[in-house]
Amino acid sequence: AQSVTQLGSHVSVSEGALVLLRCNYSSSVPPYLFWYVQYPNQGLQLLLKYTSAATLVKGINGFEAEFKKSETSFHLTKPSAHMSDAAEYFCAVIGAADTGRRALTFGSGTRLQVQP
Amino acid sequence: GAVVSQHPSRVICKSGTSVKIECRSLDFQATTMFWYRQFPKQSLMLMATSNEGSKATYEQGVEKDKFLINHASLTLSTLTVTSAHPEDSSFYICSALGVSSYNEQFFGPGTRLTVL
Repeated sequence: AQSVTQLGSHVSVSEGALVLLRCNYSSSVPPYLFWYVQYPNQGLQLLLKYTSAATLVKGINGFEAEFKKSETSFHLTKPSAHMSDAAEYFCAVIGAADTGRRALTFGSGTRLQVQP
Repeated sequence: GAVVSQHPSRVICKSGTSVKIECRSLDFQATTMFWYRQFPKQSLMLMATSNEGSKATYEQGVEKDKFLINHASLTLSTLTVTSAHPEDSSFYICSALGVSSYNEQFFGPGTRLTVL
């Protein structure tokens, strides 16, 4: 089954510093990949998605992610962290075998903490 | 656009009672809706997929008689937790796929269920 692995359950950065959240997928066929953000006691908001149109994907709130097939990675970055970026981030995938039912499989999540 | 609502946002019930959670797509027609469960500080786990007018497809390990899902219209899906027990306490999140949204799921704000 298709899966994603998020390295680091907690990441702490200083305000203004680079944010890097890691996500690796398991697939020999490029899947559909997504990054979602979740604030406490809320649902999920889509940050960006990869659907094979371009390897560098720009999302909302200054986030972007680069799809690297050779590394099976889809890491999320933001050049300068803001206090409001503190939240839980989930990488998710729709594998090639799941495109029919379009069900998402989520990574374990990374909690981003931003220090003043 | 693409707003999904859930009702109620929080519910507390006694053990043995049933609880119904509604998921509505407010400004689009949802051909498919998904129900997820999220335990504290954990990721989202897909419980079931529901398509309008047909029976829901449950993930392995999810009791279909315990978690009744009805997708009676293109804008409403309901999840009923029957004979709830404390271990059913969790955060339940729904998402919806529209006809034209392809692989992008729109998430509801979630429902916090506490069973005493």
